[in-house]
Amino acid sequence: AQTVTQSQPEMSVQEAETVTLSCTYDTSESDYYLFWYKQPPSRQMILVIRQEAYKQQNATENRFSVNFQKAAKSFSLKISDSQLGDAAMYFCAYRSRANNNDMRFGAGTRLTVKP
Amino acid sequence: EAQVTQNPRYLITVTGKKLTVTCSQNMNHEYMSWYRQDPGLGLRQIYYSMNVEVTDKGDVPEGYKVSRKEKRNFPLILESPSPNQTSLYFCASSSYFVGASTDTQYFGPGTRLTVL
Repeated sequence: AQTVTQSQPEMSVQEAETVTLSCTYDTSESDYYLFWYKQPPSRQMILVIRQEAYKQQNATENRFSVNFQKAAKSFSLKISDSQLGDAAMYFCAYRSRANNNDMRFGAGTRLTVKP
Repeated sequence: EAQVTQNPRYLITVTGKKLTVTCSQNMNHEYMSWYRQDPGLGLRQIYYSMNVEVTDKGDVPEGYKVSRKEKRNFPLILESPSPNQTSLYFCASSSYFVGASTDTQYFGPGTRLTVL
């Protein structure tokens, strides 16, 4: 079964600085989707960014970008110009394309933003 | 507004008292699922449904039931709740077409359940 590992339980960043959250996954499939979700104190799960495995180009969404290394099975999230509102729990997730039901989440990384 | 709704948002109950958490989506999504979130474990899937009357177990189905009688609704039923089911529960939905690409899952606001 696919597994998703987030090795950093907690991270902190100074406001306006850049931070990178790590995620690795294990799969034997070649076609899949990867996601980063943000969970603020409200507990709502908010999609931050999405990457399709067949695309070599790294996804970007404003201040958020990913470094997708398919061979290394790595999917890190970079947050530039960090803002206080970025403070949240971040979850990395994997979803199989062959088996749409198979969606796996990492344990999460809690990001603190210091003013 | 496209959304997934869950009710109730908070629930405190006692062991053995049957309860239902409702989930509804207005995006005409075929696929719906339930997750529980526990500290250090991320989200784990309880049950999922590919379409009306089609449901199956996820990774942690013990102690839960679901039904999918209408496309928009996917209630989670705890017939006899126990303290180890105290958790944060999320319903999610996405489109699903056999042979086509899947789509992003959209999550409800979560239900905080405490079983005493």
